[in-house]
Amino acid sequence: GNSVTQMEGPVTLSEEAFLTINCTYTATGYPSLFWYVQYPGEGLQLLLKATKADDKGSNKGFEATYRKETTSFHLEKGSVQVSDSAVYFCALREGNYGGSQGNLIFGKGTKLSVKP
Amino acid sequence: NAGVTQTPKFQVLKTGQSMTLQCAQDMNHNSMYWYRQDPGMGLRLIYYSASEGTTDKGEVPNGYNVSRLNKREFSLRLESAAPSQTSVYFCASSEFVGKRDGGEQFFGPGTRLTVL
Repeated sequence: GNSVTQMEGPVTLSEEAFLTINCTYTATGYPSLFWYVQYPGEGLQLLLKATKADDKGSNKGFEATYRKETTSFHLEKGSVQVSDSAVYFCALREGNYGGSQGNLIFGKGTKLSVKP
Repeated sequence: NAGVTQTPKFQVLKTGQSMTLQCAQDMNHNSMYWYRQDPGMGLRLIYYSASEGTTDKGEVPNGYNVSRLNKREFSLRLESAAPSQTSVYFCASSEFVGKRDGGEQFFGPGTRLTVL
C-alpha cells in the first residue's frame, strides 16, 4: 500500500542553520504531496504542496520539490529561525479517486528545535 | 471565519465511560475526517465522510463510531473508552476532491483525551 517515510528526529539546529528533512514515498499512480507543520499545542497547518512531478512548493522560506524519479519530497530552508521550532509532517494524497478520495497518508513526523 | 472547531479541548474519562467529540467547520467543505495522533505514530485516520450522508472507515476504526450530522458537523463517539484510546484527536475538513486539485485539509486544534 501507499506509505510515507520521513527522517526520524528530533533535529536540533542553531539559528540561521540550513535545514533538510528527508521524505520519501511509496504510491501507485500520481499522488499529490504535502508538508504540514504543527506548532506546540496546535493542530496541523499546511506548509506547502506539489501536485505533479518537478513541481516546487514554497512558503515562508521553506521549499520542497516533487521528485518522481527518486520518489522524494525533501523539505529545505536556507536559514531557520527559533520560530520554526515545530513538528513537520510529510503526507501524500492518493492519486486515484475511488472511495478513499481526498484521504491523506502521513509520515510519523520530525520534531525540529532551533536554538538561539 | 473560525475554520474547524473542536470541543472539548481536554477530557479525562474512566475506562468504560462514553463520550462524543464534536467537530464543526464553517468553510462549506464537503469532506470531513477524524484522526488520532500518538507519539511516534504520526496521524492515523479513524473515519472519514467524503460528503454529507456518507461515512467510511479509515485505518483504525475499532472502538469508534461517527455521525455526519449535517454538512458542517462530524462527531466521533467512544462507546466504552479504553486506556488504548488515550490520544490527541484531530478533526479536519476539505473540499470534495473529485478531480486532481491538491486536496488540502484544514485541521482543528485537537482534543486531548486521557482514559484512566
